[in-house]
Parts: sequence; structure tokens; C-alpha cells
Amino acid sequence: SSELTQDPAVSVALGQTVRITCQGDSLRSYYASWYQQKPGQAPVLVIYGKNNRPSGIPDRFSGSSSGNTASLTITGAQAEDEADYYCNSRDSSGNLFGGGTKLTVL
Amino acid sequence: QVQLQESGPGLVKPSETLSLTCTVSGGSVSSGSYYWSWIRQPPGKGLEWIGYIYYSGSTNYNPSLKSRVTISVDTSKNQFSLKLSSVTAADTAVYYCARDLLWPGVGLDYWGQGTLVTVSS
Repeated sequence: SSELTQDPAVSVALGQTVRITCQGDSLRSYYASWYQQKPGQAPVLVIYGKNNRPSGIPDRFSGSSSGNTASLTITGAQAEDEADYYCNSRDSSGNLFGGGTKLTVL
Repeated sequence: QVQLQESGPGLVKPSETLSLTCTVSGGSVSSGSYYWSWIRQPPGKGLEWIGYIYYSGSTNYNPSLKSRVTISVDTSKNQFSLKLSSVTAADTAVYYCARDLLWPGVGLDYWGQGTLVTVSS
């Protein structure tokens, strides 16, 4: 079956740019969506489709995709961006999630 | 403002059936623009998609859970439900319900707060 692979942990200096990646065969056919999850809270959708942000999501969050890799970029990371980030896409069986990336803002 | 709220027992015995309901307010499960999804997260671990249902009743399930999962919808109550049979300790998790945008691609834009279900005797 398909799977989505994410780096377990990434760090970024305050105010710098960070890219979180997600790899998987399903991404050649389907868009990825991205979720931010803080401890004890439900995930929040930050990017979906080609590069769409739900209302209320800061424009420092952006998405892109090439081949089998989708990326979430945070331009000018803030302290409040420290969280777990999950990618998600459809596949031939339904939906699947990546394993998550813990983002630390230094 | 769309809101989703999970409800159901927080403790289930091994081999029994876990049953949860998601009540939707501010939106309609009868809308043809969304899938209605269940996702779970074991303590300290990542998210796992369980399945979704369309307003028509058509469903799609995670292949690893398919033999044990049933998702149904009750349009009269604006609710959808999850049943997971023959549970074990591995099914202990926070269970979330969520709305899936359907297009363009998956986008779970509204989530419930989540409910912890513990499988233990």
C-alpha cells in the first residue's frame, strides 16, 4: 500500500525560512494537504490543493509540489509555529497521512 | 461556523465494539460537497485515517481496518457514526471526526475536539 514519508524532526531559527517535505507515490496523482497540531489540540488545516490557505492561516505558510514530493514552506517562522506538521493525500484506497514532522523554532 | 463534536464511551473492553457519534452543527451532512471522516491518533503517535462517508451513504475505509470498521450517516440528526469491532489495546487512541473538502484533493477543514477511547478490561 501507499505511504507518505516525512522527516521526524526539523528545526529553524526564529524569523528564518523552513521547508517541511513529504514523499510518496500518491503525490504524483493527488494534491497534499498540510496540518499543524499543537500539544493537546486537534490538527488545523494550513494548506490544501495546489496552494490554498483556509481563512485565518497566515500567508507565511505556502505549499508546493514536484513529482512525488510535496513541501510546506514557512517563510519567517514564528515561535507560535512550533508544532507537529502532518501531510495528507488521497490514494487509490482512500486517504493517508505522513508520519509527522516536529518543528522546533530556535 | 461549522462545529463537530464527538461523543461516546471513553472506555471499551477488549473484543467489544467501539461506537462513536459525530454531531455536526452549522453545516449539513447532506451536502454533496464533503466527505465526513474519522481519524485517530494513539497516544504520542501520528494521525491515522480510518474512513469517510458521503451523504449518499457510500463509504471508503482504511484497508488495514476495513474488516472491523463501519461508518454510517443519519441525515435526520445531522450525525455520522463510527463502529470498530473486536477492539484491542492497539485501538486506544484519540478519535477525531472531521469534514473533508472533497475537492481539490483532501482537505480536512473542520475537526472535532477529539475524544480519548481507552481499550481496557
